Amino acid sequence: GESVGLHLPTLSVQEGDNSIINCAYSNSASDYFIWYKQESGKGPQFIIDIRSNMDKRQGQRVTVLLNKTVKHLSLQIAATQPGDSAVYFCAETLSNAGGTSYGKLTFGQGTILTVHP
Amino acid sequence: KAGVTQTPRYLIKTRGQQVTLSCSPISGHRSVSWYQQTPGQGLQFLFEYFSETQRNKGNFPGRFSGRQFSNSRSEMNVSTLELGDSALYLCASTGRDGANVLTFGAGSRLTVL
Repeated sequence: GESVGLHLPTLSVQEGDNSIINCAYSNSASDYFIWYKQESGKGPQFIIDIRSNMDKRQGQRVTVLLNKTVKHLSLQIAATQPGDSAVYFCAETLSNAGGTSYGKLTFGQGTILTVHP
Repeated sequence: KAGVTQTPRYLIKTRGQQVTLSCSPISGHRSVSWYQQTPGQGLQFLFEYFSETQRNKGNFPGRFSGRQFSNSRSEMNVSTLELGDSALYLCASTGRDGANVLTFGAGSRLTVL
């Protein structure tokens, strides 16, 4: 039968505003989390990551917060720019005993961020 | 430094045919993973190869297969194509053994008619 597309959450902001994108992850055992940005016609691009032994990590204009109690991740983008318009995905994985996950990430459904000039 | 290269970028096939997609990882990267992206299911893990061996596999039927060559280049094959196989197929490579930061290619857009 016909498949129903995912209804992606959307976030619209004005240029210069701060953006917060949220993600609920599924596996309480996951110990590594990544945010990716995907622009139209391109593959996902790494933004920032965080391990489960941390609750906050900052990058350039971006901050990731991890709340393991409620299995929640958030991505904060400061001074959002039109070039930040894209679909943002969180991803989770469980490292094996060697600290690797053999390339297997579980992605969230994504959030569409639109930045208006 | 060149990124992950996928070919072809676009292709159209008909039901029942088979297709082979190619991925060249970043130079020096030895792990290659494949993902399927559709509007209905989002991004889903297909499989991962390292040193010509499949180390991890997602929940896809046996029609989906892959391999990796000694130069780390990888191919994936889908046999007996179905309409539902229409998707963007993404390849990603990692720099260290199993490192989790995947660098993705632009993908191969497959349309099955």
